[in-house]
Amino acid sequence: AQSVTQLDSHVSVSEGTPVLLRCNYSSSYSPSLFWYVQHPNKGLQLLLKYTSAATLVKGINGFEAEFKKSETSFHLTKPSAHMSDAAEYFCVVRGINDYKLSFGAGTTVTVRA
Amino acid sequence: SQTIHQWPATLVQPVGSPLSLECTVEGTSNPNLYWYRQAAGRGLQLLFYSVGIGQISSEVPQNLSASRPQDRQFILSSKKLLLSDSGFYLCAWAQSDYEQYFGPGTRLTVT
Repeated sequence: AQSVTQLDSHVSVSEGTPVLLRCNYSSSYSPSLFWYVQHPNKGLQLLLKYTSAATLVKGINGFEAEFKKSETSFHLTKPSAHMSDAAEYFCVVRGINDYKLSFGAGTTVTVRA
Repeated sequence: SQTIHQWPATLVQPVGSPLSLECTVEGTSNPNLYWYRQAAGRGLQLLFYSVGIGQISSEVPQNLSASRPQDRQFILSSKKLLLSDSGFYLCAWAQSDYEQYFGPGTRLTVT
């Protein structure tokens, strides 16, 4: 069975500074990994996905994530935070031939002006 | 392009009343469909998923049920709501085993 652990429940950054959201995964197989963002009272939006191609994945809105098999990590970064990045972020894993996703508990990002 | 709709957007229902939430997908055929619940301060919980018409898999025993009467329609129902059914309900679709795309959600408050 696969699972993810988001290491920070809350991250606070100043506008214009880098953002780092940490995620470790556990999977018996080569996993597919995703990051989703959820703004208040909205659905989840896919930021980026890793499916065994390039280990550095670029997503929307300037976000990127790096798959590190040796560290079983898939951390999300953005070089410069914007006020609109304030939201909840979910790291998600899916195993091979599995219809279901396993969600992390989420990280709430606050951006200070 | 594909779009996913959910309605209603918000709903306030008394305890013991029935429930029907609807989800429809446009622009794709034979999608996998999913119902999730997100309770306040908690993560997403998969409730049901469907890989085809009339095929429903339940993940969590509860007083909810799901149906898929048409290829791109997924319905979440209850005969009698409980206070604990309050939450944010999200529908999602995926093409086979690719990434899932989520609808805008329904906020349900049971009073």
